Amino acid sequence: QVQLVQSGAEVKKPGASVKVSCKASGYTFTSYHIHWVRQAPGQGLEWMGIINPSSGSTTNAQKFQGRVTVTMDTSASTVYMELSNLRSEDTAVYYCATRVAWGQGTLVTVSS
Amino acid sequence: DIQMTQSPSSLSASVGDRVTITCRASQGISNYLAWFQQKPGKAPKSLIYTASSLQSGVPSKFSGSGSGTDFTLTISSLQPEDFATYYCQQYYSYPYTFGQGTKLEIK
Repeated sequence: QVQLVQSGAEVKKPGASVKVSCKASGYTFTSYHIHWVRQAPGQGLEWMGIINPSSGSTTNAQKFQGRVTVTMDTSASTVYMELSNLRSEDTAVYYCATRVAWGQGTLVTVSS
Repeated sequence: DIQMTQSPSSLSASVGDRVTITCRASQGISNYLAWFQQKPGKAPKSLIYTASSLQSGVPSKFSGSGSGTDFTLTISSLQPEDFATYYCQQYYSYPYTFGQGTKLEIK
């Protein structure tokens, strides 16, 4: 079955960067676009961006332009999301997702 | 950006009830709409895509309808495991925006 497994929780200081990984299995890696979505504590879902594993092309939400970079390693069936210049408002659970499955989430805490 | 507005924001219902959640888009999105269920402390789960197509493994008690700007998610015969928060999302144009969520609680 389609499965996405994310890297573990991170604690970062303001101004730092974080890189979250998402390893796909159970399907052909290029079959589904992979999205990144985040959820701040007690809040709703916020779409951040998408990568097409067939081409490597990415689109990010304007809100994150210049701060988010989504990359992939096709040989490892893994997608990465790097968020830079972190601020306290970036404290959230970050999810990767395809049309049919979601990762378990990665808690990123930004605190001095 | 396309705004997605869900109603109600919260809903109390009893086991066995049938409930309907509405999602309205600020502009037409054809049928590029998905519904998700999220339980506390868990990742969201995909329920429906293209407004009315059930994801594999999702029980037929869940159904979706609509096109253009107005969409509904209906859950029939509520069971305890159905009490959760539900989100709609449009994927017609970037950024792919979510509704604010509807929290379905046990009465």
